[in-house]
Amino acid sequence: EDQVTQSPEALRLQEGESSSLNCSYTVSGLRGLFWYRQDPGKGPEFLFTLYSAGEEKEKERLKATLTKKESFLHITAPKPEDSATYLCAVQGANSKLTFGKGITLSVRP
Amino acid sequence: GAGVSQSPSNKVTEKGKDVELRCDPISGHTALYWYRQSLGQGLEFLIYFQGNSAPDKSGLPSDRFSAERTGGSVSTLTIQRTQQEDSAVYLCASRETRNTEAFFGQGTRLTVV
Repeated sequence: EDQVTQSPEALRLQEGESSSLNCSYTVSGLRGLFWYRQDPGKGPEFLFTLYSAGEEKEKERLKATLTKKESFLHITAPKPEDSATYLCAVQGANSKLTFGKGITLSVRP
Repeated sequence: GAGVSQSPSNKVTEKGKDVELRCDPISGHTALYWYRQSLGQGLEFLIYFQGNSAPDKSGLPSDRFSAERTGGSVSTLTIQRTQQEDSAVYLCASRETRNTEAFFGQGTRLTVV
């Protein structure tokens, strides 16, 4: 059974304080690893897809990386508007997306 | 282009009543998912439709839950004889093919009183 574990559960940062969010996974035949952002009362918003170990994607202050066992979402010089819950999901051979419980990020001005 | 649309956005129902939740996926997307999100929890997989293939129903929590997708487009999730533990946000997502990113709707918040 595919499994995703995200850590820490919650993270509080000062504006400008860079950090990383972790997503550890086990999956049979990785077809893709996905990062989403979710704001309160909204549906998840797609951020990145990573398909193979060593791959990296960047968007503004966010950078996602992938190894064979985990993915990191690096946040450089975060701003208060980056506050949200960040979700990680994996897809195995059966096309089902398995999500972690998410990491709640708070960025203080 | 419109995104994934879900209706209603909020639904309050009495215990024991049946409810129907609707999802309009992005036009042309062949894959459609239903997930459930309870307070403070991750997304729990319910069911997955891919084209004309038989749906993957492995996540449906009981036989009170069912879903259909008509004409490869609109999907309806039905919960019969609702219970208080069914209270959650129900999210629908669609994707163009089985390996591309999935796009989510805003969800339906279901409250069973």
